[in-house]
Amino acid sequence: NAGVTQTPKFQVLKTGQSMTLQCAQDMNHEYMSWYRQDPGMGLRLIHYSVGAGITDQGEVPNGYNVSRSTTEDFPLRLLSAAPSQTSVYFCASSPTGVLQPQHFGDGTRLSIL
Amino acid sequence: RKEVEQDPGPFNVPEGATVAFNCTYSNSASQSFFWYRQDCRKEPKLLMSVYSSGNEDGRFTAQLNRASQYISLLIRDSKLSDSATYLCVVTNGGFKTIFGAGTRLFVKA
Repeated sequence: NAGVTQTPKFQVLKTGQSMTLQCAQDMNHEYMSWYRQDPGMGLRLIHYSVGAGITDQGEVPNGYNVSRSTTEDFPLRLLSAAPSQTSVYFCASSPTGVLQPQHFGDGTRLSIL
Repeated sequence: RKEVEQDPGPFNVPEGATVAFNCTYSNSASQSFFWYRQDCRKEPKLLMSVYSSGNEDGRFTAQLNRASQYISLLIRDSKLSDSATYLCVVTNGGFKTIFGAGTRLFVKA
């Protein structure tokens, strides 16, 4: 059982480049979310989805887009990378929402030069 | 004021010690509470949910005080393998989760 799978694990970008972080889960979970974690700070919610076709903004959505065309996949797009987006990104899922514990992928470490 | 606040530590304790972490939250409408554990450069993993009546899982005990808006985690008989960062997590209603910045624990032989 793979759980939540994130790709890539590491990425270096130049300022202004765009890219997509991939997230897939095989647990048939309805709720999926993206967080970023910076040193000395807790995880901050970027975007979340409560089901296929439904997404909403979290605490720090600027500079990021998401879509949810299937239950399994929830990609995160950086439109024009900035050094301030250097961070560790985690994708998570739970069966129906945040009242249940979330399962995390092992993260993507992203550096923007 | 942050929505979820934790003492960042670090807490340095010897093996076998009992250590307690507190976490305060600002939204009285918060509904669900969790403790996660995060090892260095790894993903957070659920340690335990926190229930209104308090709950225990082996050496770990979690308590919730809604009136004072804090949750706690007690670790008894600390092991070297307990060394990690402990994250307090609160759901603020709706579909959003708020993470504390974490408390670092070092257990030494």
